[in-house]
Amino acid sequence: KQEVTQIPAALSVPEGENLVLNCSFTDSAIYNLQWFRQDPGKGLTSLLLIQSSQREQTSGRLNASLDKSSGRSTLYIAASQPGDSATYLCAAPPGAGSYQLTFGKGTKLSVIP
Amino acid sequence: EAGVAQSPRYKIIEKRQSVAFWCNPISGHATLYWYQQILGQGPKLLIQFQNNGVVDDSQLPKDRFSAERLKGVDSTLKIQPAKLEDSAVYLCASSSTAGGRETQYFGPGTRLLVL
Repeated sequence: KQEVTQIPAALSVPEGENLVLNCSFTDSAIYNLQWFRQDPGKGLTSLLLIQSSQREQTSGRLNASLDKSSGRSTLYIAASQPGDSATYLCAAPPGAGSYQLTFGKGTKLSVIP
Repeated sequence: EAGVAQSPRYKIIEKRQSVAFWCNPISGHATLYWYQQILGQGPKLLIQFQNNGVVDDSQLPKDRFSAERLKGVDSTLKIQPAKLEDSAVYLCASSSTAGGRETQYFGPGTRLLVL
């Protein structure tokens, strides 16, 4: 059974700072790993999807890395902005042969102007 | 392209009452998921449909929860009778698989409060 853990649970940073969110998973036999963003009262928006054959994926100021051997992924946000304030969720499938997602509890990010 | 639609957006009921949620997935998406997200937690899968068939409902509390997707498009999730611990956001997602890669698209969710 896949278990996904995210640390820290909450993070507050001043605007402009670079930051890293951490995600660990127990079953490394995964097709991919995804990072989502969730704004209050809203659904989830997919930010980055890293295939198991990739080591990292970039979109604008976001960079996600994947290390299957250690069961870890990181989401790096460069030059943070107040609009980045949201909850960031990491999700991985429960092992090989499945696209179902097991989510972590998320990291609530607050970027202070 | 229209996104995943869900209704209602909010619902307040008393315990032991019944409630139903509706989801309209993105057109052409064969796979549909229902998730339950309790405050402070990540979403937890309740049930997965492929067209109008159930792929996995192992985490659905079948004594009170039911779901259907009769024509392989829209889906409804029902709770009968509701308990206090059912207070949560219920998220619907649909997905397509292209080139061995699946992307799930989420609706805005229905926020349920059971009093």
